Amino acid sequence: GQQVMQIPQYQHVQEGEDFTTYCNSSTTLSNIQWYKQRPGGHPVFLIQLVKSGEVKKQKRLTFQFGEAKKNSSLHITATQTTDVGTYFCAGTHRDDKIIFGKGTRLHILP
Amino acid sequence: DARVTQTPRHKVTEMGQEVTMRCQPILGHNTVFWYRQTMMQGLELLAYFRNRAPLDDSGMPKDRFSAEMPDATLATLKIQPSEPRDSAVYFCASGYQGSPLHFGNGTRLTVT
Repeated sequence: GQQVMQIPQYQHVQEGEDFTTYCNSSTTLSNIQWYKQRPGGHPVFLIQLVKSGEVKKQKRLTFQFGEAKKNSSLHITATQTTDVGTYFCAGTHRDDKIIFGKGTRLHILP
Repeated sequence: DARVTQTPRHKVTEMGQEVTMRCQPILGHNTVFWYRQTMMQGLELLAYFRNRAPLDDSGMPKDRFSAEMPDATLATLKIQPSEPRDSAVYFCASGYQGSPLHFGNGTRLTVT
């Protein structure tokens, strides 16, 4: 079946350290989206990657889409307390079904 | 700023009762998704619609859950009868085909 695996489940980092979360799909994706959810909130869209091998940056965040369009990563450079939350990848499959990974909860130690 | 509206925000009910959750998607969006979020399972896809037609509801327990879009401004998710294991946050999200999703604030359901 269509599955999207995401690791790690939790990550604790010191403020200023880097953070990376990885996403892997069992099938080729049409696109991959990334969302951030703050505690008590709802997922908020960050970015969408469509092309094989695509890399996009948003300030300290770098997003990559694998050549086979099955995996993706989000890297945050020099984390800040405002980065706290859960980061989800979501893969869009050919039938337009959007499957979310289980998310990586990022906790920042001051 | 256009938003997806979900009601109620919170619902506490007893086992066996019917629960109806409502969602008003953003005007013009043609896809609507229902997700259930729990600590253990993350965001599970329950059902999704395009142009009000159900495309897939394989994520829902068929015997107790039903999802409908009676018109373009309303999507509903019903549970009958509800069970304690249904306790979760239920999110509705809308978008255009192939585009990002806009989530509502969710309905936090507690079944005792």
